[in-house]
Amino acid sequence: KAGVTQTPRYLIKTRGQQVTLSCSPISGHRSVSWYQQTPGQGLQFLFEYFSETQRNKGNFPGRFSGRQFSNSRSEMNVSTLELGDSALYLCASSPRGRENYEQYFGPGTRLTVT
Amino acid sequence: DAKTTQPPSMDCAEGRAANLPCNHSTISGNEYVYWYRQIHSQGPQYIIHGLKNNETNEMASLIITEDRKSSTLILPHATLRDTAVYYCIAPPEGGSEKLVFGKGTKLTVNP
Repeated sequence: KAGVTQTPRYLIKTRGQQVTLSCSPISGHRSVSWYQQTPGQGLQFLFEYFSETQRNKGNFPGRFSGRQFSNSRSEMNVSTLELGDSALYLCASSPRGRENYEQYFGPGTRLTVT
Repeated sequence: DAKTTQPPSMDCAEGRAANLPCNHSTISGNEYVYWYRQIHSQGPQYIIHGLKNNETNEMASLIITEDRKSSTLILPHATLRDTAVYYCIAPPEGGSEKLVFGKGTKLTVNP
């Protein structure tokens, strides 16, 4: 079975721009979560989608948003980029529904904001 | 989440067993213990999880004490590729699906 894929793998953007990152979960997985990883804050939860509905959201500003499509693929968008948004953005998919902490991560998208 | 405590770093010789401890003294009766690892510049990798009984899979073994206040992840024959940060997580029952990662243990396997 193919793993979680994320595109693009690397991205360079300028402050003030917006960016869209994509995640394709493992086939059959319906839950998709997004995390941000920075050297200072470590791994932090952004949000989680299940069956096209956002079920949980972390403590990030409204500039961070996401969605999930009927095929479980997910996108996250960051608007008005700031230097501090430079990070590794990770997507994870889960084989089951509620309270499933067995998550499978993709390789991440490395975003650099200049 | 139940607070977990792990040593910041450990070393292990290649071919020997690596035993990574985790304290979770505030864990409640129905909260599982999950282990993940993150190899440099890669996404975290799920390893194993357990509730009360010891668990084993192709990657590792998980030993949970009878009082459930601590656990040990065992990599039976560590290789250089096992060098990574290992995270012990005890998500709350009835909570969200989010994983809360602490600082973990940096395991270095030496040749």
